[in-house]
Amino acid sequence: GIQVEQSPPDLILQEGANSTLRCNFSDSVNNLQWFHQNPWGQLINLFYIPSGTKQNGRLSATTVATERYSLLYISSSQTTDSGVYFCAVLSNFGNEKLTFGTGTRLTIIP
Amino acid sequence: GAGVSQSPSNKVTEKGKDVELRCDPISGHTALYWYRQSLGQGLEFLIYFQGNSAPDKSGLPSDRFSAERTGGSVSTLTIQRTQQEDSAVYLCASRSLGATYEQYFGPGTRLTVT
Repeated sequence: GIQVEQSPPDLILQEGANSTLRCNFSDSVNNLQWFHQNPWGQLINLFYIPSGTKQNGRLSATTVATERYSLLYISSSQTTDSGVYFCAVLSNFGNEKLTFGTGTRLTIIP
Repeated sequence: GAGVSQSPSNKVTEKGKDVELRCDPISGHTALYWYRQSLGQGLEFLIYFQGNSAPDKSGLPSDRFSAERTGGSVSTLTIQRTQQEDSAVYLCASRSLGATYEQYFGPGTRLTVT
């Protein structure tokens, strides 16, 4: 099946810093989603972005489908950005299941 | 409702007991998914329902796990004869049929098997 790798696994930053999280995937995808898992475990939808670029406030994402990677940018980090960020993909081939990466744990220090 | 809801939010059970977990998808969403998140395995797919089609059960880890969806809406995930390795957060997601495949997740049920 499709493989999803996220980097870095852990990231510690000072409040106000910018960060870039990366997601590599091994095959063509119909769907790519970025999630933020909050301290209560809820997966919050950030972006649905199988290709192209989107922006939402301080967050933006870019997926280059032909090169099989996606990037999540967080600018002017705030402590509330802390948590685990997951990338999940739906392969072009086969069933409807999302395959998740192992996540990036982001810690923002005040 | 506004989002996917799940109940209970927490469940502690003794090894060997059966448990039922419930999911209410977003109104009008015809596709429903179950995933689980455990320390050792990360987030993994369990089962998928779409309308009246036969469910995709390819992610169920053993025959102790089953799920049903009644009336095309509410779903129940049942785990029989629970084992300690079943301890995990069970997440439900739904999506509408349309131009995108975007899935929306509920808050999860944290299952602890003692």
